[in-house]
Amino acid sequence: DVKVTQSSRYLVKRTGEKVFLECVQDMDHENMFWYRQDPGLGLRLIYFSYDVKMKEKGDIPEGYSVSREKKERFSLILESASTNQTSMYLCATSQGGGYTFGSGTRLTVV
Amino acid sequence: LAKTTQPISMDSYEGQEVNITCSHNNIATNDYITWYQQFPSQGPRFIIQGYKTKVTNEVASLFIPADRKSSTLSLPRVSLSDTAVYYCLVGDMGRSHTGFQKLVFGTGTRLLVSP
Repeated sequence: DVKVTQSSRYLVKRTGEKVFLECVQDMDHENMFWYRQDPGLGLRLIYFSYDVKMKEKGDIPEGYSVSREKKERFSLILESASTNQTSMYLCATSQGGGYTFGSGTRLTVV
Repeated sequence: LAKTTQPISMDSYEGQEVNITCSHNNIATNDYITWYQQFPSQGPRFIIQGYKTKVTNEVASLFIPADRKSSTLSLPRVSLSDTAVYYCLVGDMGRSHTGFQKLVFGTGTRLLVSP
């Protein structure tokens, strides 16, 4: 089975901090995604990547950036965290079939 | 965008069959229909995927009419552990990277199974 590992389950950061959320997959999938999930809003796509060093904006990229230097790793960066970025962040991979999600990182910005 | 519409919530009892319907009126020719299950504080988990007619696996069945504008996830004999949020997703599921922009999860259907 594909395993998608997110480095932290829970994070608490201060407003203005630079935050890195890391995601690693072990099945050589080309496509990786970052979603955020908020009550009443479902899952919303932030960014995705279909190859190393390639990235494309999703529906809500503002305030975020991403990095994909190696195929197995996709990082989400909050350049200056704000309270409205408090959310559950989910990483996923896909290769021609369906998505496999990580367990999520619950980020709280105070 | 292939937007989906599902009931916000459903209630059932152990041992009953549960059918959750999803509307996707503007589904495209290349789009597949995929259902995910999500428990609290976990990522969504793949349940079943189909293109047309009926698909069945060890967990569920998926019924898709000929016009493909809707689909129904059927869970036979639910148990308490089936209490979760169920998402219907429509898109080409990664077969071409341009399809990712069209995937919309929506808010899902919250299923509560009671004893």
